Amino acid sequence: SSELTQPPSVSVSPGQTASITCSGDKLGVKYVCWYQQKPGQSPVLVIYQNAKRPSGIPERFSGSSSGNTATLTISGTQTMDEADYYCQAWDSSTARVFGTGTKVTVL
Amino acid sequence: QVQLQESGPGLVKPSQTLSLTCTVSGASISSGDYYWSWIRQPPGKGLEWIGYIYYSGSTYSNPSLKSRVTISVDTSKNQFSLKLSSVTAADTAVYYCARDAVATSNIDPWGQGTLVTVSS
Repeated sequence: SSELTQPPSVSVSPGQTASITCSGDKLGVKYVCWYQQKPGQSPVLVIYQNAKRPSGIPERFSGSSSGNTATLTISGTQTMDEADYYCQAWDSSTARVFGTGTKVTVL
Repeated sequence: QVQLQESGPGLVKPSQTLSLTCTVSGASISSGDYYWSWIRQPPGKGLEWIGYIYYSGSTYSNPSLKSRVTISVDTSKNQFSLKLSSVTAADTAVYYCARDAVATSNIDPWGQGTLVTVSS
């Protein structure tokens, strides 16, 4: 399958935890990464290889993956984390596939 | 610090060919550890992977676009390019170039993106 499904939106209060899911066939055996995209900006890698953080990404961003679902967790969410988030994985037919995207609102 | 910069016309007429070039600085495009990718994002919509090229010239494209996509590389200029033929209004999007890790499939960094509008 070439589809990765995410919830369209997630709302979270400042300081609370936001969880964003990404569902796809056999996702647990693939490398999943996550991107943050703020309005008018290019996407930025926040998680790679399911759970690793690139240099400069705050520790409040974490990732996990099991079965057919990968999850991005933002702990102690800050207003600056308000953005669109996309998962992405390798796919046997399209090589690279992106999730449908989730808009995180901090209110 | 690796940087990528897209360049090309911002307006293309329907049925014509969209052509973009990505210039890479701070890293050699001949590194065997990376593919070099094109991704697009229609206004207000999500990301769509278009395809990538390896420094050797081997390419892979999204099957949904494959018949219209040509990706090439010029290692002497540290550049890679995208051509998308027979464009329609549905190809209007911000086009990004980016570095793509072979071993782990993550895409980083991305260029700033360039808006290409298809209109007569």
